[in-house]
Amino acid sequence: AQSVSQHNHHVILSEAASLELGCNYSYGGTVNLFWYVQYPGQHLQLLLKYFSGDPLVKGIKGFEAEFIKSKFSFNLRKPSVQWSDTAEYFCAVNAGLTGGGNKLTFGTGTQLKVEL
Amino acid sequence: DSGVTQTPKHLITATGQRVTLRCSPRSGDLSVYWYQQSLDQGLQFLIQYYNGEERAKGNILERFSAQQFPDLHSELNLSSLELGDSALYFCASSPGVLGNQPQHFGDGTRLSIL
Repeated sequence: AQSVSQHNHHVILSEAASLELGCNYSYGGTVNLFWYVQYPGQHLQLLLKYFSGDPLVKGIKGFEAEFIKSKFSFNLRKPSVQWSDTAEYFCAVNAGLTGGGNKLTFGTGTQLKVEL
Repeated sequence: DSGVTQTPKHLITATGQRVTLRCSPRSGDLSVYWYQQSLDQGLQFLIQYYNGEERAKGNILERFSAQQFPDLHSELNLSSLELGDSALYFCASSPGVLGNQPQHFGDGTRLSIL
């Protein structure tokens, strides 16, 4: 069964600091990887995705993530965070299921607080 | 706005009751997914429907059931409710069944059991 680990549960940064959130997954086959963000009181929004090709993917709002297959990792980065980045961030993997279905398996989330 | 509509936004009910949560997917999306988000379990996949047929099942209790109608909207039925069922229930949709298609989430229904 696939699983996702997010090592940082709570992160507090000052504005303009750099961000890196760790994500490791457990699955031996081909995976599709996602980062979602959930702002307070809002729905999950897609930040970026990786399916294949260039392991460095860029998403919305200046976020990027690097897929390292040998480390089963998909870490999220942003060079300079803003107060408006305060939110909860979820890493997710979709590895497909027998029978043609699919599901997202989420990590436990990382609560990011950016202080002015 | 993701294009996925969930109603109601909030639901307060008592133990032992039954409720129905409704989801309308984005225009053109044939797959609908249900997830439960709680403090102790995090975000858990419940079930997927594609064009009216069940395609994948996750950690869904036997007291819970879902269906997708010909107009592609979906309903999640929760019965014999327990205190532990209090959670945020999200619906998501995607065009098809491929795993590389991002799922787009609705605003969720917050269910509170008293």
